[in-house]
Amino acid sequence: SQTIHQWPATLVQPVGSPLSLECTVEGTSNPNLYWYRQAAGRGLQLLFYSVGIGQISSEVPQNLSASRPQDRQFILSSKKLLLSDSGFYLCAWKDRPSSYNSPLHFGNGTRLTVT
Amino acid sequence: AQSVTQLDSHVSVSEGTPVLLRCNYSSSYSPSLFWYVQHPNKGLQLLLKYTSAATLVKGINGFEAEFKKSETSFHLTKPSAHMSDAAEYFCALNSGGSNYKLTFGKGTLLTVNP
Repeated sequence: SQTIHQWPATLVQPVGSPLSLECTVEGTSNPNLYWYRQAAGRGLQLLFYSVGIGQISSEVPQNLSASRPQDRQFILSSKKLLLSDSGFYLCAWKDRPSSYNSPLHFGNGTRLTVT
Repeated sequence: AQSVTQLDSHVSVSEGTPVLLRCNYSSSYSPSLFWYVQHPNKGLQLLLKYTSAATLVKGINGFEAEFKKSETSFHLTKPSAHMSDAAEYFCALNSGGSNYKLTFGKGTLLTVNP
């Protein structure tokens, strides 16, 4: 069966520090991969998605970047964190061959607090 | 363009009473529709999905949803609420405009009172 791992679960970082959040998927090949953010009191915001190694689409211009160095690995990064980067970050994957009807499957999220 | 509207930001019910969470959608294509549940500080878990088969869809934990094309709705119901159902619920849509992305509603927070 497929599983998704996301870490760390919680993170407290000072303003101006770098960020690296990692997500890996097991049990599937060629998934679509996604990074979402939930800020307090707001809905889900799609940040990035990827349909293949090295292929990244950015939905919202901001202080963050994403990379996909391997088929089942998705990394969210920042060189210098801002207070506004605080939030709950969720990684998700989707079967690509049947992507129209297939749901997103989410990791357990990372709670990021920028101080 | 496609969109999802969850008509209630907050629903409060008593334990043992029915649950109704409302979702309307707008789509230019035949939609696939999904309901997710999110408990505090957790990821989203898929409750059920509609993909143009039966219009009444049964999901996990006793939830079900009915697709009504004439009303462009996909409301989530449960006959009897349990304390463990307290969570945030998201309705989501993929209508073929993009194979890659789901459109999410803003969520409905369900409170279950003892």
